[in-house]
Amino acid sequence: EVQLVQSGAEVRKPGESLKISCEGGEYNFATSWIAWVRQMPGKGLESMGIIYPGDSETRYSPSFQGRVTISVDTSISAAYVQWSSLQVSDTATYYCARAGCRGATCYGSQSYYMDVWGKGTTVTVSS
Amino acid sequence: QSVLTQPPSVSGAPGQRVTISCTGSSSNIGTKANVHWYQQLPGSAPKLLIYAGINRPSGVPDRFSGSKSGTSASLAISGLQAEDEADYYCQSYDTALNDYVFGTGTKVTVL
Repeated sequence: EVQLVQSGAEVRKPGESLKISCEGGEYNFATSWIAWVRQMPGKGLESMGIIYPGDSETRYSPSFQGRVTISVDTSISAAYVQWSSLQVSDTATYYCARAGCRGATCYGSQSYYMDVWGKGTTVTVSS
Repeated sequence: QSVLTQPPSVSGAPGQRVTISCTGSSSNIGTKANVHWYQQLPGSAPKLLIYAGINRPSGVPDRFSGSKSGTSASLAISGLQAEDEADYYCQSYDTALNDYVFGTGTKVTVL
């Protein structure tokens, strides 16, 4: 079964750094985009960016450009999001998801949907 | 602030049919970019429900159906069941923002 396994919950203080992970299993990790999605407490879903493990091409959502770094390590089929200096407002659940499309309805990256999701990593930032 | 607008909540009795609208614009739903729908059960990760407007992934009951017209899309749930209580989100790509966008989300309550 295709799956994405995310790292466990984290608690940090403002100003600290953090890197969370997402490991893919049972599919060719290198040839499918990975998306990161934020969900703040009680709020909706927000796209953070996507990365193509095969060549590490990364596209950041404008709201997250410069605030996080998305990366991959294809040798262990893992994708990451990292913060250099967390803020209280980074408190949220972060999901990774496989992104792509197929068939006649696929018009390139604009058609991408997220078909497999990780269970999420809850990040709490508090002093 | 999302560019895809959904009603905050909809409700229905078991067995009824409910619809959720997703209103966008000429830079997202009105383009070739498809509309997709996700179901998020309480305390769980989102799950793909409908892709490319009308297609159901394997395992999704045919009680769920999608449609699109112009700059809007809709998700219909027929034969509403208690297990359908969840948050539902539409998603597309916005060519003006160069970003994947989600709808504001709709909470479905089964009365």
